[in-house]
Amino acid sequence: LAKTTQPISMDSYEGQEVNITCSHNNIATNDYITWYQQFPSQGPRFIIQGYKTKVTNEVASLFIPADRKSSTLSLPRVSLSDTAVYYCLVGLYSSASKIIFGSGTRLSIRP
Amino acid sequence: SQTIHQWPATLVQPVGSPLSLECTVEGTSNPNLYWYRQAAGRGLQLLFYSVGIGQISSEVPQNLSASRPQDRQFILSSKKLLLSDSGFYLCAGHGGRAGGTQYFGPGTRLLVL
Repeated sequence: LAKTTQPISMDSYEGQEVNITCSHNNIATNDYITWYQQFPSQGPRFIIQGYKTKVTNEVASLFIPADRKSSTLSLPRVSLSDTAVYYCLVGLYSSASKIIFGSGTRLSIRP
Repeated sequence: SQTIHQWPATLVQPVGSPLSLECTVEGTSNPNLYWYRQAAGRGLQLLFYSVGIGQISSEVPQNLSASRPQDRQFILSSKKLLLSDSGFYLCAGHGGRAGGTQYFGPGTRLLVL
């Protein structure tokens, strides 16, 4: 399983773009990169998933360089409600696969 | 998409008492199922995962056990709770295919006194 490294915490302000980078130097050829968001006393919620290049959905973008050894979650124009812990996971998630979460990045948004 | 049901939402138990937390899944068949525990302000610790009925993999040696008696049912148990078993317990399901995502239940907050 590929180990991931993320900043422990980040601060930003409402209306700003926030970029959270995750390092995964040992990513395997078939691994996907998935980001989750967790609010206090709730289970993590899927945000976005990608394999290579760029993926965009209605809430975020995911940038993956050609070597795939890192990825960046981009949250456009954050609001106070984006204050949460963000987890980067790397894995195949196929049958017989265990899924391990890292420590995550605690994002705090200020007015 | 999958829906994960967990109950109860909150549980207060004395040290030494038994525990049984149930998780059920809707919307998919033959999912991979997971039990995680989260201490206050910490990340998720994988406790058990299962790829099918009766198939349980344990990640952390402890006084907890898990069972999967049916395809969409995953149970976390203990014969005698310890103070250190307190935490937020989350059940998750995954479709078991490459590139899929996990869906989490609402969680059970367990306080052992």
